[in-house]
Amino acid sequence: DGGITQSPKYLFRKEGQNVTLSCEQNLNHDAMYWYRQDPGQGLRLIYYSQIVNDFQKGDIAEGYSVSREKKESFPLTVTSAQKNPTAFYLCASSYRVAGGTDTQYFGPGTRLTVL
Amino acid sequence: GQNIDQPTEMTATEGAIVQINCTYQTSGFNGLFWYQQHAGEAPTFLSYNVLDGLEEKGRFSSFLSRSKGYSYLLLKELQMKDSASYLCAVRDSNYQLIWGAGTKLIIKP
Repeated sequence: DGGITQSPKYLFRKEGQNVTLSCEQNLNHDAMYWYRQDPGQGLRLIYYSQIVNDFQKGDIAEGYSVSREKKESFPLTVTSAQKNPTAFYLCASSYRVAGGTDTQYFGPGTRLTVL
Repeated sequence: GQNIDQPTEMTATEGAIVQINCTYQTSGFNGLFWYQQHAGEAPTFLSYNVLDGLEEKGRFSSFLSRSKGYSYLLLKELQMKDSASYLCAVRDSNYQLIWGAGTKLIIKP
């Protein structure tokens, strides 16, 4: 079955620690995205990547880092520089189409709690 | 700035019809998406509109008026499982998705 996987579903970390969230897709999608969702707010884009070895900052990239070494994988590191990291993190992917990207499909999400 | 407005919360009765509105002001327009998100879960794709008019897909329909910057999602024959948040998102001229905060729909028996 094709899909997007994120692990783990729940993650707890102590303040000051870096943590890496996993995102893998086997849909053969070119583009991948990381969003953050906080209660009562829309999804906010952290980073996105349209091709391997290339990625761009979204609206709230400060305190986060990513890599795109393989088409299937787009891990997100939440660093200690992120002031308020507790949130629901969603990974998405899509095909690229002429002029841009197609419909985005989401993984199940990782709920990160920093204690 | 870019902005998407949706009602925060709506309540409807099982078996009834509900219309969830979305208005937008964005830098360009390359399509509007509706997603459903159950509590604690990921958004799932419902519909896509890029031309004016109504798109029907089973119990769900989505309407778009580009001149008015307006869309709605119409849900018919409501079921308890339709209780969820409904997210409106617009793809701007840079093909970036701008997201509304979502409308929480509560279905009562």
